[in-house]
Amino acid sequence: NAGVTQTPKFQVLKTGQSMTLQCAQDMNHNSMYWYRQDPGMGLRLIYYSASEGTTDKGEVPNGYNVSRLNKREFSLRLESAAPSQTSVYFCASSDRGSNQPQHFGDGTRLSIL
Amino acid sequence: KNQVEQSPQSLIILEGKNCTLQCNYTVSPFSNLRWYKQDTGRGPVSLTIMTFSENTKSNGRYTATLDADTKQSSLHITASQLSDSASYICVVSYYGNNRLAFGKGNQVVVIP
Repeated sequence: NAGVTQTPKFQVLKTGQSMTLQCAQDMNHNSMYWYRQDPGMGLRLIYYSASEGTTDKGEVPNGYNVSRLNKREFSLRLESAAPSQTSVYFCASSDRGSNQPQHFGDGTRLSIL
Repeated sequence: KNQVEQSPQSLIILEGKNCTLQCNYTVSPFSNLRWYKQDTGRGPVSLTIMTFSENTKSNGRYTATLDADTKQSSLHITASQLSDSASYICVVSYYGNNRLAFGKGNQVVVIP
C-alpha cells in the first residue's frame, strides 16, 4: 500500500538553483495538492489540481510551478530557489467529493542555503 | 488572522490518561471539519471528518465532537498510549470550493 509517494525525502540547495519535487499516488484519485509546512504555521496550499490537465493557484503560489503529468503524478518546481522556500513540502491526493479525506505523503524536507 | 485556532498549543499527559483538544473556527460558509494526526517526520493522517449535521464521530480511542452553532470542535483521546504522541491538526473545509483552512496543531506528548 504505497498511497502517496514523494521524492526526494531530503534536499539541500543553494540560492538560485532549481529543482523539481516529485509526487505520485496509486489510489486513482482525481485531485492532488501541494502544501508547505513551516514551524508555528498551519499547512498552506501552494497549488492544486482538481483533475488531470488542470491546475490552480493556492494560497502561496509565488516562486513555484506545477505540472499534472497524468492522473498519478503531480510535480512541483522551484525555478530559482530562495532561502524563504526552506520548508517541508507535502503532496496530497483525494477522491472527488467535498467530504473525502486528503491522503498525504511523508514530505520532502528542503533547505535552501 | 488564522481562521482555525487550536488549544492548548502543547500538552504532556501520562500514559493511560484521557485528554481533550479544542478547535475554534470562523470559516464560513462551512462544509466539514476534519481532525488529522501527524507523527513526527510523517505526513498527516485523517482521523475523522464531520459535516454540519454530525455532532460526534469516533475512530477507535479518538472521539471528535462538533458544535456548528458555536463553531467549536473537540478531539478526545481515551486511555492514551505512547503512540498517541503526535501533533493533532484541526482542518475546516469551505463550502463550495473545497478549500481547507488548517490549524497550527496541538502537540501531544504521552509519557510512561
